Amino acid sequence: TQLLEQSPQFLSIQEGENLTVYCNSSSVFSSLQWYRQEPGEGPVLLVTVVTGGEVKKLKRLTFQFGDARKDSSLHITAAQPGDTGLYLCAGYANAGGTSYGKLTFGQGTILTVHP
Amino acid sequence: KAGVTQTPRYLIKTRGQQVTLSCSPISGHRSVSWYQQTPGQGLQFLFEYFSETQRNKGNFPGRFSGRQFSNSRSEMNVSTLELGDSALYLCASTRTGASYEQYFGPGTRLTVT
Repeated sequence: TQLLEQSPQFLSIQEGENLTVYCNSSSVFSSLQWYRQEPGEGPVLLVTVVTGGEVKKLKRLTFQFGDARKDSSLHITAAQPGDTGLYLCAGYANAGGTSYGKLTFGQGTILTVHP
Repeated sequence: KAGVTQTPRYLIKTRGQQVTLSCSPISGHRSVSWYQQTPGQGLQFLFEYFSETQRNKGNFPGRFSGRQFSNSRSEMNVSTLELGDSALYLCASTRTGASYEQYFGPGTRLTVT
């Protein structure tokens, strides 16, 4: 059974601060996605990383996939109140039948950015 | 392209009843996955359908079932509802390939009383 441990679970910061969210596993994933979810809505895909060591940037957000493809991080620079939400990491194992259509999700990080 | 749509958005049911939820994937996407999201368990995989066939199933009781139609639209059914079935049910449409990206609908909020 693949598990993704996401930390921290809660993050409350002031506008302008930087933060990092971590996603760790003992399993290898063929790809890893980061999502952001607003209350009562579905998760919205932010980025997908595929290659070990890959770094992707989306404005003030930087995503990194670990060299061994077992871990990932999300770094936000100069956080803004609009960044508030639930951030989820999710991995796809590509291991045949038992992985079809299945993303393994971390428990999520609830980020609150205060003005 | 239109995104993933789910209907209804909200449902209130009584214990013992059954419910059917509907999902229309992004045009051209043939794989549809269903997830249950609760505060305690997070997002849990229910099942996946591809070309009208269930290819994978999560660890949920047989009361949870689904199907997919020839136009890739999918439905999931929960019979004999229990209080613990209250959750946000999410449908995801998958673009297959190396990156295996899933795109989620807005979800159906089911409340069982």
